[in-house]
Amino acid sequence: TQLLEQSPQFLSIQEGENLTVYCNSSSVFSSLQWYRQEPGEGPVLLVTVVTGGEVKKLKRLTFQFGDARKDSSLHITAAQPGDTGLYLCAGADNSGYALNFGKGTSLLVTP
Amino acid sequence: EAGVAQSPRYKIIEKRQSVAFWCNPISGHATLYWYQQILGQGPKLLIQFQNNGVVDDSQLPKDRFSAERLKGVDSTLKIQPAKLEDSAVYLCASSLTGYGQYFGPGTRLTVT
Repeated sequence: TQLLEQSPQFLSIQEGENLTVYCNSSSVFSSLQWYRQEPGEGPVLLVTVVTGGEVKKLKRLTFQFGDARKDSSLHITAAQPGDTGLYLCAGADNSGYALNFGKGTSLLVTP
Repeated sequence: EAGVAQSPRYKIIEKRQSVAFWCNPISGHATLYWYQQILGQGPKLLIQFQNNGVVDDSQLPKDRFSAERLKGVDSTLKIQPAKLEDSAVYLCASSLTGYGQYFGPGTRLTVT
C-alpha cells in the first residue's frame, strides 16, 4: 500500500485568510486526486492532476502536482466559510483506478 | 444525471449480527468501488469491480465480508458476523475513467 501523508491534520482560520495543505508520499503515482468531504456526505472530486509539475486552478483553489509525481499541494486564497470540510488527497496506482487515500486535512473557516 | 445511490443511510446492529448495504452506481459507470471510512481516517478500498468481475479485493476481510455485483450494475456488500471494529461509514463509488470517482452519501454502521 502506498502511504500518503497529509498535513496539517487540522486547520482553523478566519474568513479571508490564505492557506496551503500538503500531501506527501515516497511513492510515485500515475495521478493524484483531491476531494472535499462534508459531514454526513461522501467525498466530492475537486481535481485530478496527472503530469509532474502540473498546476490546476479551480476558482480560489490552486492545485499543484510535484515534479516527481510523489506529492501535491492545495492552496486556497481568501478562504470562505463554505470551504469548510475535510480535504482528502488520493493517489492512483498504475491502473489509474485504485486509489490510496490520505487521512485528510480538516479545515474550519469561521466568519 | 443521478448520482450514486446507497441505502440504508444508517444502521445499528449488535455484534455477531449480519448486515447488508446496497449501492446503485451512476448509469454507464463500469467500475464500482466499496470503501470503509473509520472516523478520523480517509477511505480504505475494500473491493473494486469492473462490470461484474472483481478487480481488487486484497483488503476485504473475506472471513466476514462479501460483495457481489450481479449483472454489472447494482452491488451489495455484506458483513456476517459483524464485530465492534466494523463500526464505520461504508462508501460506494463509481467511475467511468481512471480520472475521478463519484461517491454516494455512505452508510453509517454502528455495531454495539
